[in-house]
Amino acid sequence: GENVEQHPSTLSVQEGDSAVIKCTYSDSASNYFPWYKQELGKGPQLIIDIRSNVGEKKDQRIAVTLNKTAKHFSLHITETQPEDSAVYFCAASIRGSQGNLIFGKGTKLSVKP
Amino acid sequence: SAVISQKPSRDICQRGTSLTIQCQVDSQVTMMFWYRQQPGQSLTLIATANQGSEATYESGFVIDKFPISRPNLTFSTLTVSNLSPEDSSIYLCSVDLGAGEQYFGPGTRLTVT
Repeated sequence: GENVEQHPSTLSVQEGDSAVIKCTYSDSASNYFPWYKQELGKGPQLIIDIRSNVGEKKDQRIAVTLNKTAKHFSLHITETQPEDSAVYFCAASIRGSQGNLIFGKGTKLSVKP
Repeated sequence: SAVISQKPSRDICQRGTSLTIQCQVDSQVTMMFWYRQQPGQSLTLIATANQGSEATYESGFVIDKFPISRPNLTFSTLTVSNLSPEDSSIYLCSVDLGAGEQYFGPGTRLTVT
């Protein structure tokens, strides 16, 4: 079955710097890759996603890139702010496969003011 | 997206008892899911809650321990039975609105003493 590896497990940056989180997946049939942000005491919030027919997607300060050949995808956050501090999870699934999302282990991002 | 609520938000239960968690969505959805998030860990799918039929459980999760009801398209319950300290986790419901994206509720934090 699918396996998703996520790195790094913790990331500390200065406010205004960029942050990059990387994930790899094992199942070449996976075609949907969402990213979630989880703040302390809250449920995961979908912040951006990408499908396998697209190489890059951007939404304001957040972007996601996908390399299908290498089976990896990355989250890029530019101009980080203290409110970006949270745990970020990547996931992979096969759309139409009853929605079984396989999650990475998470990255705890700390943005220092 | 959808507005998803869970009750209770947190609970402390004694070993050997059971806890039933409710998940309510503000619109009709076909697919609802239940996840477990152990302390400091990632999310693991417990089961898919099917309306009008038995839930579909993932490997390692059984109906006797995690019975699920799905009486209609806006509501589901998860019961965690015969509680032990190892069941202390956050339990999350999620919904798929039909496009493959999953949206999560705020979670129920269970502590077993």
